[in-house]
Formats: sequence, structure tokens, C-alpha cells
Amino acid sequence: SSELTQDPAVSVALGQTVRITCQGDSLRSSYASWYQQKPGQAPVLVISGKNNRPSGIPDRFSGSSSGNTASLTITGAQAEDEADYHCNSRDSSVRPVFGGGTKLTVL
Amino acid sequence: EVQLVESGGGLVKPGGSLRLSCAASGFTFNNVWMSWVRQAPGKGLEWVGRLKSETGGETTDYAAPVKGRFTISRDDSKDTLYLQMNSLKTEDTAVYYCTTDQAGITGTPYQFYYYMDVWGKGTTVTVSS
Repeated sequence: SSELTQDPAVSVALGQTVRITCQGDSLRSSYASWYQQKPGQAPVLVISGKNNRPSGIPDRFSGSSSGNTASLTITGAQAEDEADYHCNSRDSSVRPVFGGGTKLTVL
Repeated sequence: EVQLVESGGGLVKPGGSLRLSCAASGFTFNNVWMSWVRQAPGKGLEWVGRLKSETGGETTDYAAPVKGRFTISRDDSKDTLYLQMNSLKTEDTAVYYCTTDQAGITGTPYQFYYYMDVWGKGTTVTVSS
């Protein structure tokens, strides 16, 4: 299956650590990438490959994976991290697939 | 600075057509794979289709919901990607983004990767009678 599953919503207290997960069979052989999207804005790549952050992305964002599950971890969540987070991978036909997105609330 | 700017969105009736444009700058346009990704109101991201680079064969691929109705093309002389949308349906209502794509294999043992590293701001398409 090429589907990716994310929890619809996650919350975290300010300054605490939160893990956002993405599950799917394709993740056994393909890295997940992660995008942050704030209201009314385009998605922004925050993690790609094994654990690569584009220039300008804070080092509190990190990625990891195990089996069919990929995780985006925010260590010391800030108020500005409140956003939707989308994972993506690829299927066996090299077509990108997206998860349904996770709404992160910073309390 | 790498930049993508979409245009061409608007209100169209069901069954109508619309052509979106994505003007690129700051990189060698015909060396990258590019995709269209859409987001319906209140929903997640949905890949629409892709045009591979010249070295990738310049082939196109489409998601099942749009295959046969949408066509992706590009004009290298204008560094512009297009999305021709025909036979539009109400469920095509969304913000449409163009992206540059990176895909390949890395690591030992190898793992595939596919990500969109640059996104435009999007253009809104509304299909309604």
C-alpha cells in the first residue's frame, strides 16, 4: 500500500518535546520527508532524507524512522512551531504520496 | 534566489477548463523534476502530477483522480511550467502549488527518498456553478 497515516492532531506544552509520526509500508524502503505549513501559507520543507534540515530550519527539528514508522521530533517546542505538519514518501512507481497531516498545538 | 510563482487560478464552472502557470527563477529549469500539488479547503496535500527533467526523459505522471483530464507541460524559453485542467469537477477546488522535486537512492542499506524542496505560494482554483 502507498498510503501514509498521521494522527490528525497532537499537542505539546511550550518548551517540551513532541513526536509526530507517519506510518506506511513505503517507509520500510523510503525515507519520509516533513513539511511545516502555517495557516494561509505554502508548505515548507523541514526534514528530508535520513535527517537533513534545509538551511534556516532550527536544529530543534529532527527526523528518524523505524520499520514502517517515521517520526518528526521537535525538542523544546516554541509557540511559532504551531502549524500543520505533513509527511511524504514515494510509492513503488516513484510517485510521491502524502500523509493526511497533523495539526500541532503548542499549549 | 530559487523562486516559483503560480498564476492562472480563478472561478470556473464544472466541465470548464483552466490553465495554471508556474514561473521559475534562480535555478536551471530543465534540470529538475517538477510537480503540481493541491490542497482542498481544510484538507491535506495531494500530489497531482509531475514532469521529469530532460535527463529523466521528460515524461509525465498523474494521480488517478486527474489522469486523462489534466496535462503538465513546460516552456523552457520562458522557464515556465503549466497545468492544463480540462473537464473540471467541483472536487478539483483547491489551492494548487508547483514544486521542485528531488528523488533518488541513498545510504547503506539503500533507502529511496522523494521530497519537494521548493514550493510556490499557490494559486486558488474554485470549480462551482
